Amino acid sequence: KAGVTQTPRYLIKTRGQQVTLSCSPISGHRSVSWYQQTPGQGLQFLFEYFSETQRNKGNFPGRFSGRQFSNSRSEMNVSTLELGDSALYLCASSLVAGSTDTQYFGPGTRLTVL
Amino acid sequence: GNSVTQMEGPVTLSEEAFLTINCTYTATGYPSLFWYVQYPGEGLQLLLKATKADDKGSNKGFEATYRKETTSFHLEKGSVQVSDSAVYFCALSVYGGATNKLIFGTGTLLAVQP
Repeated sequence: KAGVTQTPRYLIKTRGQQVTLSCSPISGHRSVSWYQQTPGQGLQFLFEYFSETQRNKGNFPGRFSGRQFSNSRSEMNVSTLELGDSALYLCASSLVAGSTDTQYFGPGTRLTVL
Repeated sequence: GNSVTQMEGPVTLSEEAFLTINCTYTATGYPSLFWYVQYPGEGLQLLLKATKADDKGSNKGFEATYRKETTSFHLEKGSVQVSDSAVYFCALSVYGGATNKLIFGTGTLLAVQP
Protein backbone atom coordinates (compact mmCIF):
# COMPACT_ATOMS: atom_id res chain seq x y z
CA LYS A 1 0.00 0.00 0.00
CA ALA A 2 1.38 3.39 -0.97
CA GLY A 3 2.30 5.76 1.83
CA VAL A 4 1.37 9.38 2.35
CA THR A 5 2.51 11.52 -0.54
CA GLN A 6 3.11 15.25 -0.52
CA THR A 7 3.66 17.59 -3.42
CA PRO A 8 5.72 19.47 -4.17
CA ARG A 9 8.70 18.33 -2.13
CA TYR A 10 10.45 21.69 -2.34
CA LEU A 11 9.18 25.23 -2.89
CA ILE A 12 10.84 28.59 -3.00
CA LYS A 13 8.62 31.67 -2.72
CA THR A 14 9.08 35.33 -1.94
CA ARG A 15 7.46 37.35 0.81
CA GLY A 16 3.88 38.34 0.10
CA GLN A 17 3.17 35.45 -2.24
CA GLN A 18 0.81 32.62 -1.45
CA VAL A 19 1.41 28.88 -1.66
CA THR A 20 -0.66 25.70 -1.82
CA LEU A 21 0.63 22.37 -0.60
CA SER A 22 -0.99 19.04 -1.36
CA CYS A 23 -1.27 15.80 0.57
CA SER A 24 -2.62 12.43 -0.54
CA PRO A 25 -3.30 10.12 2.41
CA ILE A 26 -2.89 6.37 2.55
CA SER A 27 -5.75 4.66 0.73
CA GLY A 28 -8.69 4.20 3.08
CA HIS A 29 -7.52 6.79 5.58
CA ARG A 30 -10.06 9.50 6.28
CA SER A 31 -8.21 11.76 8.68
CA VAL A 32 -5.48 14.17 7.58
CA SER A 33 -3.44 16.41 9.86
CA TRP A 34 -0.85 19.05 9.07
CA TYR A 35 2.19 20.03 11.12
CA GLN A 36 4.85 22.70 10.77
CA GLN A 37 8.44 21.84 11.70
CA THR A 38 11.02 24.56 12.31
CA PRO A 39 14.35 24.52 14.17
CA GLY A 40 13.10 27.13 16.63
CA GLN A 41 9.56 25.97 17.37
CA GLY A 42 9.86 22.27 16.67
CA LEU A 43 6.80 20.36 15.51
CA GLN A 44 3.56 22.29 15.81
CA PHE A 45 0.05 21.19 14.96
CA LEU A 46 -1.67 23.22 12.25
CA PHE A 47 -5.05 21.56 11.63
CA GLU A 48 -6.86 18.28 11.27
CA TYR A 49 -9.54 17.21 8.81
CA PHE A 50 -11.91 14.29 8.86
CA SER A 51 -14.56 13.64 6.22
CA GLU A 52 -14.03 17.10 4.73
CA THR A 53 -14.58 18.84 8.09
CA GLN A 54 -11.96 20.68 10.07
CA ARG A 55 -12.01 19.06 13.52
CA ASN A 56 -9.19 20.86 15.20
CA LYS A 57 -7.00 23.88 14.59
CA GLY A 58 -3.69 24.91 16.08
CA ASN A 59 -2.57 28.33 17.16
CA PHE A 60 -1.66 29.79 13.78
CA PRO A 61 -2.82 33.02 12.12
CA GLY A 62 -5.67 33.05 9.64
CA ARG A 63 -3.17 33.18 6.78
CA PHE A 64 -2.92 29.41 7.22
CA SER A 65 -5.92 27.54 5.90
CA GLY A 66 -6.74 24.11 4.62
CA ARG A 67 -9.38 21.89 3.18
CA GLN A 68 -10.11 18.26 2.52
CA PHE A 69 -11.78 16.80 -0.52
CA SER A 70 -14.25 13.93 -0.78
CA ASN A 71 -11.43 11.52 -1.72
CA SER A 72 -9.65 12.52 1.55
CA ARG A 73 -6.88 14.39 -0.25
CA SER A 74 -6.03 17.61 1.52
CA GLU A 75 -4.50 20.96 0.67
CA MET A 76 -3.15 23.68 2.86
CA ASN A 77 -2.72 27.26 1.79
CA VAL A 78 -0.56 30.00 3.20
CA SER A 79 -1.28 33.52 2.03
CA THR A 80 0.89 36.63 2.30
CA LEU A 81 4.00 34.63 3.04
CA GLU A 82 6.44 35.83 5.69
CA LEU A 83 10.08 34.86 6.19
CA GLY A 84 9.08 32.99 9.34
CA ASP A 85 6.87 30.65 7.33
CA SER A 86 9.98 28.89 6.04
CA ALA A 87 9.62 25.38 7.38
CA LEU A 88 9.07 21.74 6.65
CA TYR A 89 5.33 21.11 6.36
CA LEU A 90 4.34 17.57 7.23
CA CYS A 91 1.09 15.86 6.47
CA ALA A 92 -0.10 12.80 8.36
CA SER A 93 -3.00 10.46 7.76
CA SER A 94 -4.85 7.94 9.90
CA LEU A 95 -7.83 5.65 9.51
CA VAL A 96 -10.07 7.61 11.80
CA ALA A 97 -9.72 10.61 14.07
CA GLY A 98 -9.17 9.04 17.47
CA SER A 99 -6.52 9.59 20.10
CA THR A 100 -5.25 5.99 19.94
CA ASP A 101 -5.03 5.90 16.18
CA THR A 102 -1.58 5.95 14.58
CA GLN A 103 -0.71 8.81 12.28
CA TYR A 104 1.49 8.05 9.29
CA PHE A 105 3.59 10.90 7.99
CA GLY A 106 4.56 11.92 4.51
CA PRO A 107 8.06 13.10 3.54
CA GLY A 108 7.09 16.75 3.87
CA THR A 109 7.23 19.86 1.72
CA ARG A 110 10.22 22.10 2.35
CA LEU A 111 9.08 25.72 1.94
CA THR A 112 11.66 28.47 1.71
CA VAL A 113 10.47 32.09 1.78
CA LEU A 114 12.94 34.67 0.50
CA GLY B 1 -2.05 21.97 29.60
CA ASN B 2 -0.66 19.03 27.68
CA SER B 3 3.06 18.87 27.04
CA VAL B 4 6.01 16.56 26.44
CA THR B 5 9.53 17.01 27.77
CA GLN B 6 12.47 15.15 26.28
CA MET B 7 16.09 15.05 27.28
CA GLU B 8 18.28 17.47 25.41
CA GLY B 9 20.62 16.11 22.80
CA PRO B 10 22.75 15.35 21.09
CA VAL B 11 23.30 11.91 22.50
CA THR B 12 26.52 10.38 21.19
CA LEU B 13 27.11 6.66 21.66
CA SER B 14 29.43 4.02 20.38
CA GLU B 15 28.00 1.12 18.42
CA GLU B 16 26.51 -1.64 20.64
CA ALA B 17 26.07 0.76 23.59
CA PHE B 18 22.85 0.91 25.61
CA LEU B 19 20.46 3.74 24.76
CA THR B 20 18.00 5.59 26.97
CA ILE B 21 16.16 8.72 25.88
CA ASN B 22 14.01 10.16 28.63
CA CYS B 23 10.50 11.42 27.99
CA THR B 24 8.00 12.74 30.51
CA TYR B 25 4.58 14.17 29.86
CA THR B 26 1.85 16.32 31.35
CA ALA B 27 -1.67 15.58 30.24
CA THR B 28 -5.26 15.83 31.27
CA GLY B 29 -6.83 12.41 31.22
CA TYR B 30 -5.03 9.41 29.76
CA PRO B 31 -3.14 10.11 26.57
CA SER B 32 -1.71 7.69 24.06
CA LEU B 33 2.07 7.90 23.80
CA PHE B 34 4.27 7.56 20.75
CA TRP B 35 7.89 7.55 19.68
CA TYR B 36 8.62 8.74 16.17
CA VAL B 37 11.99 8.76 14.38
CA GLN B 38 13.15 11.18 11.69
CA TYR B 39 16.08 10.39 9.43
CA PRO B 40 17.83 13.23 7.61
CA GLY B 41 15.71 14.72 4.85
CA GLU B 42 12.71 12.56 5.62
CA GLY B 43 9.36 12.74 7.37
CA LEU B 44 8.50 11.04 10.65
CA GLN B 45 8.22 7.29 11.02
CA LEU B 46 6.32 5.67 13.86
CA LEU B 47 8.73 3.67 15.99
CA LEU B 48 6.36 2.41 18.68
CA LYS B 49 3.31 3.37 20.70
CA ALA B 50 1.38 2.59 23.87
CA THR B 51 -2.23 3.46 24.48
CA LYS B 52 -2.73 2.71 28.18
CA ALA B 53 -0.81 2.55 31.43
CA ASP B 54 1.73 -0.31 31.79
CA ASP B 55 1.59 -1.05 28.06
CA LYS B 56 4.99 -1.71 26.51
CA GLY B 57 5.57 -0.69 22.92
CA SER B 58 8.40 -2.36 21.03
CA ASN B 59 9.83 -2.36 17.52
CA LYS B 60 13.24 -3.03 15.92
CA GLY B 61 14.84 -3.62 19.33
CA PHE B 62 13.48 -0.38 20.80
CA GLU B 63 11.15 -0.49 23.81
CA ALA B 64 9.20 1.99 25.92
CA THR B 65 6.78 1.42 28.79
CA TYR B 66 3.86 3.73 29.59
CA ARG B 67 4.36 4.62 33.27
CA LYS B 68 1.37 6.52 34.60
CA GLU B 69 2.78 6.85 38.12
CA THR B 70 5.88 8.68 36.88
CA THR B 71 4.22 10.15 33.74
CA SER B 72 7.08 8.79 31.66
CA PHE B 73 7.66 6.93 28.41
CA HIS B 74 11.42 6.46 28.19
CA LEU B 75 12.87 4.94 25.01
CA GLU B 76 15.47 2.17 25.39
CA LYS B 77 17.53 -0.06 23.15
CA GLY B 78 20.02 -2.62 24.33
CA SER B 79 22.57 -2.31 21.51
CA VAL B 80 22.51 0.62 19.10
CA GLN B 81 23.79 0.54 15.53
CA VAL B 82 25.16 3.29 13.31
CA SER B 83 21.94 3.06 11.30
CA ASP B 84 19.97 4.19 14.40
CA SER B 85 21.46 7.68 14.06
CA ALA B 86 18.45 9.99 13.71
CA VAL B 87 16.25 12.42 15.63
CA TYR B 88 13.78 10.81 18.02
CA PHE B 89 10.52 12.48 19.01
CA CYS B 90 8.29 11.58 21.91
CA ALA B 91 4.64 12.56 21.41
CA LEU B 92 1.25 12.28 23.01
CA SER B 93 -2.25 12.44 21.67
CA VAL B 94 -4.93 13.93 23.81
CA TYR B 95 -7.51 11.51 25.17
CA GLY B 96 -11.12 11.97 24.37
CA GLY B 97 -13.05 13.33 21.46
CA ALA B 98 -12.51 12.66 17.83
CA THR B 99 -9.13 14.26 17.46
CA ASN B 100 -5.72 13.05 16.39
CA LYS B 101 -3.74 16.08 17.43
CA LEU B 102 -0.20 15.11 18.42
CA ILE B 103 1.89 17.14 20.85
CA PHE B 104 5.60 16.59 20.35
CA GLY B 105 8.69 16.96 22.44
CA THR B 106 11.61 18.93 21.08
CA GLY B 107 13.37 15.88 19.69
CA THR B 108 16.64 14.20 20.65
CA LEU B 109 19.42 13.78 18.14
CA LEU B 110 21.18 10.44 18.44
CA ALA B 111 24.59 9.98 16.83
CA VAL B 112 26.06 6.48 16.89
CA GLN B 113 29.73 6.15 16.09
CA PRO B 114 31.30 2.97 14.71
